[in-house]
Amino acid sequence: AQKVTQAQTEISVVEKEDVTLDCVYETRDTTYYLFWYKQPPSGELVFLIRRNSFDEQNEISGRYSWNFQKSTSSFNFTITASQVVDSAVYFCALKENTDKLIFGTGTRLQVFP
Amino acid sequence: DAGVIQSPRHEVTEMGQEVTLRCKPISGHNSLFWYRQTMMRGLELLIYFNNNVPIDDSGMPEDRFSAKMPNASFSTLKIQPSEPRDSAVYFCASSLATGRNTQYFGPGTRLTVL
Repeated sequence: AQKVTQAQTEISVVEKEDVTLDCVYETRDTTYYLFWYKQPPSGELVFLIRRNSFDEQNEISGRYSWNFQKSTSSFNFTITASQVVDSAVYFCALKENTDKLIFGTGTRLQVFP
Repeated sequence: DAGVIQSPRHEVTEMGQEVTLRCKPISGHNSLFWYRQTMMRGLELLIYFNNNVPIDDSGMPEDRFSAKMPNASFSTLKIQPSEPRDSAVYFCASSLATGRNTQYFGPGTRLTVL
């Protein structure tokens, strides 16, 4: 059965520190998609990135980067030089060859000035 | 482009009352999803539609919950009668077709049942 594990419940850092949010997934499918969403204190869910199982290239977008490793079934998210505005709950999610998104339990990131 | 629109943003009602949540998906998207978020259960899929047709409602908690999508630009989630344990944030999301496409979420409706 598919599953997404975000073992870090809460992380606190000071501004400008780098921080990595871990995501480990389980699936039996060879074709699947991985996502990260951000939920700021205002409550909305904001899409950050989608990766498919055939593309293990790491991705960088500004201060955000993602490391996808099929060998360890991980899709980790790193924020470089964190800022207070990065404070949010971050969700990792998995979609197999269906329409259902399976979410992890989320990691609450607090960035202090 | 307008994102997914949900109304109301906040709803406070009393136990036993009927509650209707509304969603307008992104124009051109033909898949629509209803999720519920609670502290205890996290984000869970309630039901989704493809081309206005309900495909999987296995996440709907019980018969008190019903969802409709009368056309491509509108969906409702109804709870009748409401109970305090229904208090949660309800999200609507939409996507193009199915499979690999990204689901984009609305701002959510925070429901409080007293």
